[in-house]
Amino acid sequence: GAVVSQHPSWVICKSGTSVKIECRSLDFQATTMFWYRQFPKQSLMLMATSNEGSKATYEQGVEKDKFLINHASLTLSTLTVTSAHPEDSSFYICSARAGLSDTEAFFGQGTRLTVV
Amino acid sequence: GQNIDQPTEMTATEGAIVQINCTYQTSGFNGLFWYQQHAGEAPTFLSYNVLDGLEEKGRFSSFLSRSKGYSYLLLKELQMKDSASYLCAVVDSNYQLIWGAGTKLIIKP
Repeated sequence: GAVVSQHPSWVICKSGTSVKIECRSLDFQATTMFWYRQFPKQSLMLMATSNEGSKATYEQGVEKDKFLINHASLTLSTLTVTSAHPEDSSFYICSARAGLSDTEAFFGQGTRLTVV
Repeated sequence: GQNIDQPTEMTATEGAIVQINCTYQTSGFNGLFWYQQHAGEAPTFLSYNVLDGLEEKGRFSSFLSRSKGYSYLLLKELQMKDSASYLCAVVDSNYQLIWGAGTKLIIKP
């Protein structure tokens, strides 16, 4: 299957700083990328959907000014957690889809964020 | 609203067979996925069903009945490494993935 690379795998940052997470599709062009967060023992929660070249669509309850998503190219999307707080500590996962009717989404490895 | 139901947790014995059920009510249907997720890792793809029936892939099989809004994942010859969460996800009419909460499968020796 297609490969999606997410970086970094884990990061520890101080409260109040910003953290950027990258998601790259390595062998296909991803027209759509999804960002999820997952708290321990809970299901994936969709944060936002981004299409290349346009603004991301955020799910209800997700602060777009706090979680900045940029999908500048067909192979790269970034999620920046701004002014991070300990409650932002979570597992963040991206997935990418090649086309609208391509039903399978391929997942990155995930990023474990710990804010101290 | 859209809803995916699957059991929260199941326990099975090494070498046995276990069936994890998933029922769904969604706006449209364009396929159903099963993913495996080990703790601290991203989900990995197991199966995709869009037509009714059983799809077998090694020790894992997945079944779909669209008329009943029902699927199951069947795991045979259970191994300790199969201990994980199993996520059911449905693709709706907008090609969005609707996720179940996952079933935590515990394998005992």
